[in-house]
Amino acid sequence: AQSVTQLDSHVSVSEGTPVLLRCNYSSSYSPSLFWYVQHPNKGLQLLLKYTSAATLVKGINGFEAEFKKSETSFHLTKPSAHMSDAAEYFCVVSGSKFYFGSGTKLNVKP
Amino acid sequence: GAVVSQHPSWVICKSGTSVKIECRSLDFQATTMFWYRQFPKQSLMLMATSNEGSKATYEQGVEKDKFLINHASLTLSTLTVTSAHPEDSSFYICSASSGSGDTQYFGPGTRLTVL
Repeated sequence: AQSVTQLDSHVSVSEGTPVLLRCNYSSSYSPSLFWYVQHPNKGLQLLLKYTSAATLVKGINGFEAEFKKSETSFHLTKPSAHMSDAAEYFCVVSGSKFYFGSGTKLNVKP
Repeated sequence: GAVVSQHPSWVICKSGTSVKIECRSLDFQATTMFWYRQFPKQSLMLMATSNEGSKATYEQGVEKDKFLINHASLTLSTLTVTSAHPEDSSFYICSASSGSGDTQYFGPGTRLTVL
């Protein structure tokens, strides 16, 4: 069975500082993992996807995530936050369907 | 690439009426489309999965006679909320993929308000 746990419901950072959004997954086989971003009243935009190629995945807008099988983690990072990064972020593990985490709301302070 | 559109973006209707929401994949053929519902400050809840030319598969607890899904072509799926009631008010989001388990590309969502 697949499941996803996003460890923080809210993360607040200052503009220009690093971002870390944490995600742990459970999967009975080698998973496909995704990070999506949702701005208010909008659909979800794909940030990046892991599919068992490189463990460090680079996405759009400077985001990247590292797949760590030993820790069953897929944390999302960005070296320097921008005001436009403020949004809700969802970690997803794919099986027969998508299994969503509960979301992490990122707040970026000026 | 991989753009999915939804129409309308928002709709207000009276209780007891039916509302149709369209989901289109604009630049790829979507063999599988998904319909989600999202409550305020919550994650997405999968309602149903539809494959082109087949009947939709509904998640447990979702009334298939109330939420009619049609996936008549590789680029279009529709969700009809029949006899809508205020408790059906929500944000409905569709997604499309080239196959089950593949990357899903999401539409911008439809805000439904039932008075």
